[in-house]
Amino acid sequence: GDSVTQMEGPVTLSEEAFLTINCTYTATGYPSLFWYVQYPGEGLQLLLKATKADDKGSNKGFEATYRKETTSFHLEKGSVQVSDSAVYFCALSPTGNQFYFGTGTSLTVIP
Amino acid sequence: GAVVSQHPSRVICKSGTSVKIECRSLDFQATTMFWYRQFPKQSLMLMATSNEGSKATYEQGVEKDKFLINHASLTLSTLTVTSAHPEDSSFYICSAVRQGRGSGELFFGEGSRLTVL
Repeated sequence: GDSVTQMEGPVTLSEEAFLTINCTYTATGYPSLFWYVQYPGEGLQLLLKATKADDKGSNKGFEATYRKETTSFHLEKGSVQVSDSAVYFCALSPTGNQFYFGTGTSLTVIP
Repeated sequence: GAVVSQHPSRVICKSGTSVKIECRSLDFQATTMFWYRQFPKQSLMLMATSNEGSKATYEQGVEKDKFLINHASLTLSTLTVTSAHPEDSSFYICSAVRQGRGSGELFFGEGSRLTVL
């Protein structure tokens, strides 16, 4: 069945470091792919998305490219800030009515 | 952008009482909403899929008589934790699907922290 696998955390980085959080997926067809972010004590917010192969989603300095050949949607940011500390969830939706989430990756950025 | 509102954000109740959590889509209609439970180590557990006008679909292992879900309108779904016990203490999160051209997008509520004494 459809599923998402993302790298386990927690991840701790110094401010201005480069961030990569790996996400790979298994799906039939052509799902849409998402990254959600959850700040402490809050619900999840959509960070970025891509709906077809080779699309690049971007927001707030974060980027992820939909790679069908490697079934991946890795999240990257060139220079993280303390305010980026949060839990990041990779997700896919094959139909628009079903969503599958990874287990989440906790990121802590230290000054 | 689309907003999903959840209420209450925090609730404390005595063991044995029932608690209702509301999830509203504020600027779009949602035929499908989801209810999740989030455990301390961050993972989201899908509890049920709520479909407007029909019975909710519960995931395996979720007691439908304990977690009552009602999706009475296109903008409101409610989760009622009946006869709550301390082990039901958790962070409950709802989400709503906004259908767009060719794909749906999922928007989350702010979450509700339930503490059962």
